[in-house]
Amino acid sequence: DAGVIQSPRHEVTEMGQEVTLRCKPISGHDYLFWYRQTMMRGLELLIYFNNNVPIDDSGMPEDRFSAKMPNASFSTLKIQPSEPRDSAVYFCASSFGGPVFGNQPQHFGDGTRLSIL
Amino acid sequence: AQKVTQAQTEISVVEKEDVTLDCVYETRDTTYYLFWYKQPPSGELVFLIRRNSFDEQNEISGRYSWNFQKSTSSFNFTITASQVVDSAVYFCALISNTGNQFYFGTGTSLTVIP
Repeated sequence: DAGVIQSPRHEVTEMGQEVTLRCKPISGHDYLFWYRQTMMRGLELLIYFNNNVPIDDSGMPEDRFSAKMPNASFSTLKIQPSEPRDSAVYFCASSFGGPVFGNQPQHFGDGTRLSIL
Repeated sequence: AQKVTQAQTEISVVEKEDVTLDCVYETRDTTYYLFWYKQPPSGELVFLIRRNSFDEQNEISGRYSWNFQKSTSSFNFTITASQVVDSAVYFCALISNTGNQFYFGTGTSLTVIP
C-alpha cells in the first residue's frame, strides 16, 4: 500500500515568496493532518480535516498560512508571504477515524523540509 | 490541560544494552489514548503503539515493551538488546476522547553506539 505522499521533499525559497506544500493521504482515510516540526517547538498540529472539511485550525500560526483539501486525495498547505521563521519540517498525516475516536494511528508522510532564506 | 513530558532529551547506549524511554502525561479526562512514534534519521514518523486508558496491560513486541501505569501517569518504552538501527528520536503522544488535539512530547533522541 502506498503511504502518505508529500511533495516536495525539500524546498528552499526566498523570504516573501509563496510556498505550497502538497499531500496525498492514504486512500480510504477520512482524516488528514498538517504538522510542523521545529527544534524549538517540537511537533505542532496546525490543522486537520475530516472528509475534506477543516475541523480545527487553531494551530495555524497566522493568516499567512492557509490549507485546503479540495478532494479526498489531495491537500495543500500554503504560506504567503513566507518568512525565515517558517523554516521547519512540515508533515502531513492521515488516519481512518480521527482524534475523537482516538485509537486510530496516524500515518505520516516523509515530510517537507522547508527553508526560507 | 493535556501535556506530555519526555524529560530525557538525549540518551546514548552501547549496542545490546537495554534502554527505557520515559513518558509522563497529564490529562483530566478518564478516556484517553497514548502513542509512541519513532522518527529515524530519514525523518519520517513511524507509528509504534497505541494504548487506551482502560487497558493497563503491558505489551511486548519483539525487543520492544511498554509499561503503562495510570497511578503514575506514565507510559514508558523499553528497548531490550538495543541495536544501531534503533537510533532515532522517539515521541510519546496523547489524545483524549473529549479533545481534538494530538499532544506530542518533545521527543527523546536515542543513539545506539556500535
